[in-house]
Amino acid sequence: AQSVTQLGSHVSVSEGALVLLRCNYSSSVPPYLFWYVQYPNQGLQLLLKYTSAATLVKGINGFEAEFKKSETSFHLTKPSAHMSDAAEYFCAVSDRISGGSNYKLTFGKGTLLTVNP
Amino acid sequence: DAGITQSPRYKITETGRQVTLMCHQTWSHSYMFWYRQDLGHGLRLIYYSAAADITDKGEVPDGYVVSRSKTENFPLTLESATRSQTSVYFCASMRAYNQPQHFGDGTRLSIL
Repeated sequence: AQSVTQLGSHVSVSEGALVLLRCNYSSSVPPYLFWYVQYPNQGLQLLLKYTSAATLVKGINGFEAEFKKSETSFHLTKPSAHMSDAAEYFCAVSDRISGGSNYKLTFGKGTLLTVNP
Repeated sequence: DAGITQSPRYKITETGRQVTLMCHQTWSHSYMFWYRQDLGHGLRLIYYSAAADITDKGEVPDGYVVSRSKTENFPLTLESATRSQTSVYFCASMRAYNQPQHFGDGTRLSIL
């Protein structure tokens, strides 16, 4: 089974600063990767997804992520943070459920992003 | 509107009671999932379903029961609620394995 590691449970940046949220996965086979965002009292919303078409993936709200196979990483970045970016961010990898042909998402434990004025 | 809806949004109940959380999606997605979200644990998969009448256990299935008689509905039942089941529960659906999951807004369940 795959595992997903998000380095840093809490990241704090100033408004206008670069946002970098780190995600590493365990598989040696390029999987399908996703970043989700969760605002308070809401469900998870898809930010972007990697499905092998391009290593640099652009998502909503100015976020992008780069897939690096050699580093098994899929870090999320945004050049300039906005107050409205404050939320929790989850990295996830599509994972075959053992013994079958079905799939599930394995999530990292999340990174809480705070943006300081 | 199309989407995935969960009900109720908030529920308070007592230990030992049975409680059912509802999930309905309008996309006719094959896959549906139930997660619980707890501080320090992230999202943990309780049960999933690959199609109507096909369900299987996830990471933390004990104390929960699911059914899926129709593609669009995937209720989750706590047969005898315990305090350790106090959590926020999310339902999700997915069209195919290489597609993202779409989440409901969650049910915040408190068991006293």
